Amino acid sequence: GNSVTQMEGPVTLSEEAFLTINCTYTATGYPSLFWYVQYPGEGLQLLLKATKADDKGSNKGFEATYRKETTSFHLEKGSVQVSDSAVYFCALSTPYNQGGKLIFGQGTELSVKP
Amino acid sequence: DTGVSQDPRHKITKRGQNVTFRCDPISEHNRLYWYRQTLGQGPEFLTYFQNEAQLEKSRLLSDRFSAERPKGSFSTLEIQRTEQGDSAMYLCASSLGQGETQYFGPGTRLLVL
Repeated sequence: GNSVTQMEGPVTLSEEAFLTINCTYTATGYPSLFWYVQYPGEGLQLLLKATKADDKGSNKGFEATYRKETTSFHLEKGSVQVSDSAVYFCALSTPYNQGGKLIFGQGTELSVKP
Repeated sequence: DTGVSQDPRHKITKRGQNVTFRCDPISEHNRLYWYRQTLGQGPEFLTYFQNEAQLEKSRLLSDRFSAERPKGSFSTLEIQRTEQGDSAMYLCASSLGQGETQYFGPGTRLLVL
């Protein structure tokens, strides 16, 4: 079946630290991969995506590369800010014959201290 | 473009009561998805529509749950005879079609007492 596993949180970092949030997946076929972010009191927002192997998604200084050989899509940022404090969700989109619904990981809470 | 909207944002009800939530997708988005998110977990798929047709329902969607999307625009999710285990955030998302990015609404937080 399809599943997503993320590193457990919470993750606490100092401002300007390097961030990695690990995400691995199990899927039939070739899913698209996503990172969504949920800021306190707000809805889910798409952060970045990659639709095929070796694609790199990037946005707001965050990056993730679709690694088919390791079935991973780790999120990275070189220098985090206090405003990056949020919950981050890795997700995959099921293939065409499975409706394209999103399968999410459990989320990783990031707290950035000044 | 006003984004996906959901109403109400919060709902408190007593066990056994019926509740109905509404989702207005981004205009011209023909796919509409419902998800449920419990505390500390990622969203879980409930059901989705292609225009007005409901194409899939998760096993999470018991027979107390029903969803509609008349005329392929807004959608409603009704929960009958609510139970405490139904307490969760109910999220709606829409997309232009299969494989396109899903955009989420702010969610409806349900608390069943």
